[in-house]
Amino acid sequence: SAVISQKPSRDICQRGTSLTIQCQVDSQVTMMFWYRQQPGQSLTLIATANQGSEATYESGFVIDKFPISRPNLTFSTLTVSNMSPEDSSIYLCSVRRGGDEKLFFGSGTQLSVL
Amino acid sequence: AQSVAQPEDQVNVAEGNPLTVKCTYSVSGNPYLFWYVQYPNRGLQFLLKYITGDNLVKGSYGFEAEFNKSQTSFHLKKPSALVSDSALYFCAVRVIATSGTYKYIFGTGTRLKVLA
Repeated sequence: SAVISQKPSRDICQRGTSLTIQCQVDSQVTMMFWYRQQPGQSLTLIATANQGSEATYESGFVIDKFPISRPNLTFSTLTVSNMSPEDSSIYLCSVRRGGDEKLFFGSGTQLSVL
Repeated sequence: AQSVAQPEDQVNVAEGNPLTVKCTYSVSGNPYLFWYVQYPNRGLQFLLKYITGDNLVKGSYGFEAEFNKSQTSFHLKKPSALVSDSALYFCAVRVIATSGTYKYIFGTGTRLKVLA
């Protein structure tokens, strides 16, 4: 299994500010995904972040709002920019390691925007 | 569009009874299908997957799932439910993204409540 450290675990932020979420994996992974989940709801894919290439964003998500960095094979960040209350959610990073067809998830970042 | 559907928001079952959580899919090509579980205040965990081979796949915690190509379904099952199985269950499918790489799409989730 992969151990994923996601920080912060929760934060309360003011409208108009930005928050950067970090995801550190204990081993090198090619594919990393960022999801958003309302409590008790489904996961919505924000973007796929593969090392060495630009992140690929899903419909409804744009780079200016959710910039992603992937500087190496064990680390990624997701920034939620110019936040509004609608951005309040749980943000999850997830990795697929090698040829193992299953995803490992971080513990999530619970974001509340006031 | 490629998608996965979970038609039931909630499933209630008595402890000791068999349980089924339903999932149907719509993908092009051979489907890669998964079940994940999310316990209260805990992260998502992998339960099982179907890629190829036997239509009945076995996973963690005594769960199994049956792949049915003609019905495009991948229902999660367990012969005897435990109260501790109460959680949120997600069906997921691997699809090919426009970039040519893979991505994973999740269903809306089914809350399983096992009653003592």
